[in-house]
Amino acid sequence: EAQVTQNPRYLITVTGKKLTVTCSQNMNHEYMSWYRQDPGLGLRQIYYSMNVEVTDKGDVPEGYKVSRKEKRNFPLILESPSPNQTSLYFCASRDRLGVQPQHFGDGTRLSIL
Amino acid sequence: GENVEQHPSTLSVQEGDSAVIKCTYSDSASNYFPWYKQELGKRPQLIIDIRSNVGEKKDQRIAVTLNKTAKHFSLHITETQPEDSAVYFCAASTQGGSEKLVFGKGTKLTVNP
Repeated sequence: EAQVTQNPRYLITVTGKKLTVTCSQNMNHEYMSWYRQDPGLGLRQIYYSMNVEVTDKGDVPEGYKVSRKEKRNFPLILESPSPNQTSLYFCASRDRLGVQPQHFGDGTRLSIL
Repeated sequence: GENVEQHPSTLSVQEGDSAVIKCTYSDSASNYFPWYKQELGKRPQLIIDIRSNVGEKKDQRIAVTLNKTAKHFSLHITETQPEDSAVYFCAASTQGGSEKLVFGKGTKLTVNP
C-alpha cells in the first residue's frame, strides 16, 4: 500500500529539548515536503526536497532543519524547540512528473511546553 | 513570493445546493493549482487540480475553473451532500522550477441536511 508514514503521531516535550519527526514514503517519490498547520493560518510549507541531498526552504523554515540522505526518508529536526512551534505537522511526497497527487502522512501533533 | 487568498472562510449551504470557493494568487509564474479536502482530524486529500494550460476541469460533482488573466481559480461543488462537509484548501505552485506550494487559509464548508 502506498503511504507516507510519520512518527511520532503525538509528542509533548519541553522547550529546548531537541526532537526529530521522521517521515518515510514507500512510493519512490523524488519530492518530499514538510508543512505545519495552525488554526486560521492553513498549511504553511517549512522545507521541501526535490531529490536526495537537495533541500530548500519553504515559507516558514526558521527553527527547523531537514535532511535527505535517502530517497525514502525526510526527517524534520527541531534543534531547540520553542512553544511557538506547537503545531500539527504533515509530511507529503509526490512523483517528479507531477501526475500523482501529493500523498500526505497522517500528521504529527507537537506540543512544546 | 506567492500569496494565495481564499474566500469565504466559512460557508454553510443546504443539502443539494451548490457551493463555490474562490482563490486568488499573486505570482503569474504559478502553473499548478490543487484543491484539498480535510475532514476533521484527518490528513488533507487532493480532490482535484488544474494546470495553467487548462481553463476548466470537472470530476463528477466537483469542478475547478481557472482565470489566468485575473489570477483567480474557483472550486465548484454541485448537489452538495452532508459528507462534503470539511475544510477545503486551495494552493498554488510553480511546478518544474521548485516544489514550493502555497496554501490558502481554508474554507470550512458545512452542508446542512
